[in-house]
Amino acid sequence: DAKTTQPPSMDCAEGRAANLPCNHSTISGNEYVYWYRQIHSQGPQYIIHGLKNNETNEMASLIITEDRKSSTLILPHATLRDTAVYYCIVRPSGTYKYIFGTGTRLKVLA
Amino acid sequence: GAGVSQSPRYKVAKRGQDVALRCDPISGHVSLFWYQQALGQGPEFLTYFQNEAQLDKSGLPSDRFFAERPEGSVSTLKIQRTQQEDSAVYLCASSLEGSYSNQPQHFGDGTRLSIL
Repeated sequence: DAKTTQPPSMDCAEGRAANLPCNHSTISGNEYVYWYRQIHSQGPQYIIHGLKNNETNEMASLIITEDRKSSTLILPHATLRDTAVYYCIVRPSGTYKYIFGTGTRLKVLA
Repeated sequence: GAGVSQSPRYKVAKRGQDVALRCDPISGHVSLFWYQQALGQGPEFLTYFQNEAQLDKSGLPSDRFFAERPEGSVSTLKIQRTQQEDSAVYLCASSLEGSYSNQPQHFGDGTRLSIL
């Protein structure tokens, strides 16, 4: 079973920040949080990952709470092309594989 | 640089036929993964290679599914005697390091398999 829970869907106005939450209350100390997104008919696209510190790259920011039980992916200025399913993944320790949940379907509205 | 490449992008086969799906990982990537994605669902793990060694095949749904990576680069997923429930998108991913590295997996766009 996936170690994360996400809201099934969210809407965001174009140009505004999109804040996508993820709960991972059973995360272990050495497990990373990964975010991917999947646009229709494409494979999952890597966005960002982190352990405990906040991370930022050219696509997004990742904010992880101090207790590491939840995180938020922030798209600072959402565009229509950011409409996609967003997956938050915690890979279980001692395994190689990702276990995907159902993700959050983000719709960016014009 | 080039990403993960999968071929064919679409495959239609009749029930009972054998199919072979190809994955070209990012050059130099040690780890290679196969996932299966049913319509409306998240991808599900099938198998994992570190170089040419298949270290985990726990997700393969039956003995009709077979994967190989003989020279530690290109991989092939073969499905024998296909059945309608095999219809899905098959995704390949690669990552730079092996073992339990935290390096992210990079996915191809998949092969959409339809069994008639």
